[in-house]
Amino acid sequence: NAGVTQTPKFQVLKTGQSMTLQCAQDMNHEYMSWYRQDPGMGLRLIHYSVGAGITDQGEVPNGYNVSRSTTEDFPLRLLSAAPSQTSVYFCASSDRISGLVTQYFGPGTRLTVL
Amino acid sequence: RKEVEQDPGPFNVPEGATVAFNCTYSNSASQSFFWYRQDCRKEPKLLMSVYSSGNEDGRFTAQLNRASQYISLLIRDSKLSDSATYLCVVNVGYGGSQGNLIFGKGTKLSVKP
Repeated sequence: NAGVTQTPKFQVLKTGQSMTLQCAQDMNHEYMSWYRQDPGMGLRLIHYSVGAGITDQGEVPNGYNVSRSTTEDFPLRLLSAAPSQTSVYFCASSDRISGLVTQYFGPGTRLTVL
Repeated sequence: RKEVEQDPGPFNVPEGATVAFNCTYSNSASQSFFWYRQDCRKEPKLLMSVYSSGNEDGRFTAQLNRASQYISLLIRDSKLSDSATYLCVVNVGYGGSQGNLIFGKGTKLSVKP
């Protein structure tokens, strides 16, 4: 199993550009999430999905869109990049055993918006 | 606001030392609790779940105090490889949805030779 994979690893954008961060998991997990991690802020949930075709907003959804057409993939789209979106982005999938949710994280995408 | 609070550290300890981290949470409806470990420039990884009765995994012991709403992590006989940031995570909801997972900002541990 590859686990959770993310592409690209690094990206530099100019203000106003759009792009899609890719995330895929091969563990057949129903739940997937996107987080951003900023210095001093910890991990903040952007969007999440509890299954194909179902998505919901997290704590900081503005400026981002998601879709979940398959169980495996959960792309994150930046509509019009802003410097405030400079961050490290983590995708995660969740395994629920006995009611406990364990998050498996991808390696992250380091995004810089100029 | 749902919050999970941790001392950011850094905790600088010598090899072999015992070190303890605390974490407090504000939502009394919180259902489950975890410690994650994050190495520098890497993704977080689950270290251990925290059970009401307390639990141990080798040199690591986790405790939960629901009445005082805090969680602790004790590391005995610290190794250089324990150097990392430790994240306290609380699930404030039901049903296992990750929309209810709240992450603390982390406590940084540095173990010195």
